Amino acid sequence: DTAVSQTPKYLVTQMGNDKSIKCEQNLGHDTMYWYKQDSKKFLKIMFSYNNKELIINETVPNRFSPKSPDKAHLNLHINSLELGDSAVYFCASSPRRHNEQFFGPGTRLTVL
Amino acid sequence: AQSVAQPEDQVNVAEGNPLTVKCTYSVSGNPYLFWYVQYPNRGLQFLLKYITGDNLVKGSYGFEAEFNKSQTSFHLKKPSALVSDSALYFCAVRDSYDMRFGAGTRLTVKP
Repeated sequence: DTAVSQTPKYLVTQMGNDKSIKCEQNLGHDTMYWYKQDSKKFLKIMFSYNNKELIINETVPNRFSPKSPDKAHLNLHINSLELGDSAVYFCASSPRRHNEQFFGPGTRLTVL
Repeated sequence: AQSVAQPEDQVNVAEGNPLTVKCTYSVSGNPYLFWYVQYPNRGLQFLLKYITGDNLVKGSYGFEAEFNKSQTSFHLKKPSALVSDSALYFCAVRDSYDMRFGAGTRLTVKP
């Protein structure tokens, strides 16, 4: 019944590794997003993906890349992980861009 | 660029008292404004939105927000706070491409 799900919930890894976080929504929404929430709870948009159109926040390093195998999934790949990547990453979806968004439970990434 | 500001990092109220969480916005054109709530270790949950129409918007869990164009504000309100309302609240505005969130206000309701 979960509307927006993410796996894994926790991810602990070493610097330099490559990792992925998966996101799935069963709401039939057209737009999906990835956010990063830092330790001060500040929420920053990383990507939005709508009908194969990718909008990238220009401040996001190109080590981060979203991949969407279909409309219900938007996975996040991170290469060469750095200490500063430690944060909680949220996936979200909305019926169309600019509508209210539905968030997943988050993935807490810790880079050692 | 569109932006929102939440001037208070922390708001404390006693249970049963009215609560207000403040938000001001800066947009070009008509604003699309939202409130979300985040409970500990959870994702954000949508509470309410203003697109057009009545300035007083009603949302989930008894919350409402008042849109004030002259003051460029969209404050979140509830007539009687519950301890279970304690959480982190985010105001957001629709940007050209996506949603832009404020820094969040931590609401603590004490019994």
